[in-house]
Amino acid sequence: EVHLVQSAAEVKKPGESLKISCKGSGYSFTSYWIGWVRQMPGKGLEWMGIVYPGDSGTRYSPSFQGQVTISADKSISTAYLQWSSLKASDTAMYYCARGGIYWGGGWGFDYWGQGTLVTVSS
Amino acid sequence: EIVLTQSPDTLSLSPGERATLSCRASQGVSGSYLAWYQQKPGQPPSLLIYGASSRATGIPDRFSGSGSGTDFSLIISRLEPEDFAVYYCQQYAGSPTFGPGTKVDIK
Repeated sequence: EVHLVQSAAEVKKPGESLKISCKGSGYSFTSYWIGWVRQMPGKGLEWMGIVYPGDSGTRYSPSFQGQVTISADKSISTAYLQWSSLKASDTAMYYCARGGIYWGGGWGFDYWGQGTLVTVSS
Repeated sequence: EIVLTQSPDTLSLSPGERATLSCRASQGVSGSYLAWYQQKPGQPPSLLIYGASSRATGIPDRFSGSGSGTDFSLIISRLEPEDFAVYYCQQYAGSPTFGPGTKVDIK
């Protein structure tokens, strides 16, 4: 059975750095893209970017390019989302999701992690 | 970027009724690469439909998707109590984008 397990909730101050994680199991981790999706409080879903653990290739939404870094460590079946300097506006729930519906040009997401709540407040 | 709009914002219905949700794209979604997700409070989204009309594994047949080009629909033939939730469409013809969601609540 496919599982994506995300790291615990975080409370940070503006300007701090952060790296959250998503560990995959129950499937070949290197064979599927892993994406990240933001959901701000009471709002909808926004695709941030995606990584292919097989070769660490990445793609970013133009809205998030340069704002975050997505990576993966295939040796431990884990994908990451990181910030170098958090802002209050980064407060949101962040989901990882497997891009299992892939045709070569885009991704649908068939399995989702439970979410990591990031709160940024002074 | 393909922008998706969903209507209505909120759909108030009773259990047993039929729900029709709409998703419209700002340009044609090639290959009908459109998915629908359900999200319940406090839970992550879950995949219902992909390829505009294919049900994901384990999804009951009261859920059906249709459409092509710029106009897509999700139909729930008879609402069960567990179906009251927010529904999002997402296109993956290119860089993924999501619609703003339709909330289906109990009348």
